[in-house]
Amino acid sequence: AQTVTQSQPEMSVQEAETVTLSCTYDTSESDYYLFWYKQPPSRQMILVIRQEAYKQQNATENRFSVNFQKAAKSFSLKISDSQLGDAAMYFCAYRSANFGNEKLTFGTGTRLTIIP
Amino acid sequence: NAGVTQTPKFQVLKTGQSMTLQCAQDMNHEYMSWYRQDPGMGLRLIHYSVGAGITDQGEVPNGYNVSRSTTEDFPLRLLSAAPSQTSVYFCASSYLQTVTASHEQYFGPGTRLTVT
Repeated sequence: AQTVTQSQPEMSVQEAETVTLSCTYDTSESDYYLFWYKQPPSRQMILVIRQEAYKQQNATENRFSVNFQKAAKSFSLKISDSQLGDAAMYFCAYRSANFGNEKLTFGTGTRLTIIP
Repeated sequence: NAGVTQTPKFQVLKTGQSMTLQCAQDMNHEYMSWYRQDPGMGLRLIHYSVGAGITDQGEVPNGYNVSRSTTEDFPLRLLSAAPSQTSVYFCASSYLQTVTASHEQYFGPGTRLTVT
């Protein structure tokens, strides 16, 4: 079974600075997908960024980028130019690429606080 | 498109009572699932369905039943509520994976359930 570990329960960053959230995972599969979800106080789960394991290039979405290290099974999220609206819980998630195995396995989350 | 809708948003039950959490999606997604979110534990999969008439157990299925009579609806039933089922429940849906693409899972707004 796959597991996802987020070792930082809480992080804080000054507004406009850069912060990196860590995620490691364990799997015996070679093909899979990794995700970062954001959960603001509204409770809504919002997809931030997605990485396909077969792609060597790290995914980027505006101020959000990942550092995907497949051999190390590491998938960190970098938020540049942090904004007050980035304050939220962030969850790392794993999904197998096998057809019929759509379930997401989540980490325990990192609460990000933005300091004005 | 309303996306994924869940009702109710909040519910308080007494131990032993039964109830159904409703989930509906209007995106014609084959895959639907239920997660529960507990503090410090991330989201864990309860049950899922890959199409009408097909359901299967996830990581924490005990105490819950599901059915999928239509593509749109995927209700979650608590047969005899227990305090351990106090949690936030999320419904999610997506297209089934293809060989080359992992489709985004869309989450509902969640139901906060308290069992006293």
